[in-house]
Amino acid sequence: QKEVEQNSGPLSVPEGAIASLNCTYSDRGSQSFFWYRQYSGKSPELIMFIYSNGDKEDGRFTAQLNKASQYVSLLIRDSQPSDSATYLCAVSSNSGYALNFGKGTSLLVTP
Amino acid sequence: SAVISQKPSRDICQRGTSLTIQCQVDSQVTMMFWYRQQPGQSLTLIATANQGSEATYESGFVIDKFPISRPNLTFSTLTVSNMSPEDSSIYLCSAGRGQGDGYTFGSGTRLTVV
Repeated sequence: QKEVEQNSGPLSVPEGAIASLNCTYSDRGSQSFFWYRQYSGKSPELIMFIYSNGDKEDGRFTAQLNKASQYVSLLIRDSQPSDSATYLCAVSSNSGYALNFGKGTSLLVTP
Repeated sequence: SAVISQKPSRDICQRGTSLTIQCQVDSQVTMMFWYRQQPGQSLTLIATANQGSEATYESGFVIDKFPISRPNLTFSTLTVSNMSPEDSSIYLCSAGRGQGDGYTFGSGTRLTVV
């Protein structure tokens, strides 16, 4: 059973702080890792993806991947109230195409 | 990234009827998928829509219940057949040219079966 695990939260951080969202996965053959943001009542929105071990930065967002530990994380710097949403971690299936999603972490950024 | 138009956005249907959901992409894409999301839950993959051939279904989902069409590289439909209240959910289309571009989602169809 391929699993993607996330802490459901809620994770509460003050405005301006760094939010750290974590995800672990069970399938060692996974190749690609994605972070989506989902506002209540909306569909998921792709934030960024990462394939290689290490860090990948895009604006205020940094994705970190450690394949040996089967761990991927998302850092949000200078968190804003508008970042309050559920963040979904997704991992490529062993077929290499469809994504397997975690249950998401709810983030609350307080003013 | 691909822009996806999905319709209808919501519907209320009678038990035993069928509903077809359409997904139109603004550019040719390699991959198209259909997901279901129960309230407060994550996304469950129903099937991969294959262009010109039968869809590939995940465990627990069958073609008779969720027939899928994909006649070309920009369009797909999902039909929810012989609906029961347990089919009430949000259905989402996702598409992309491949993992190198990531996959985007349509706006979803909120289905209520009464």
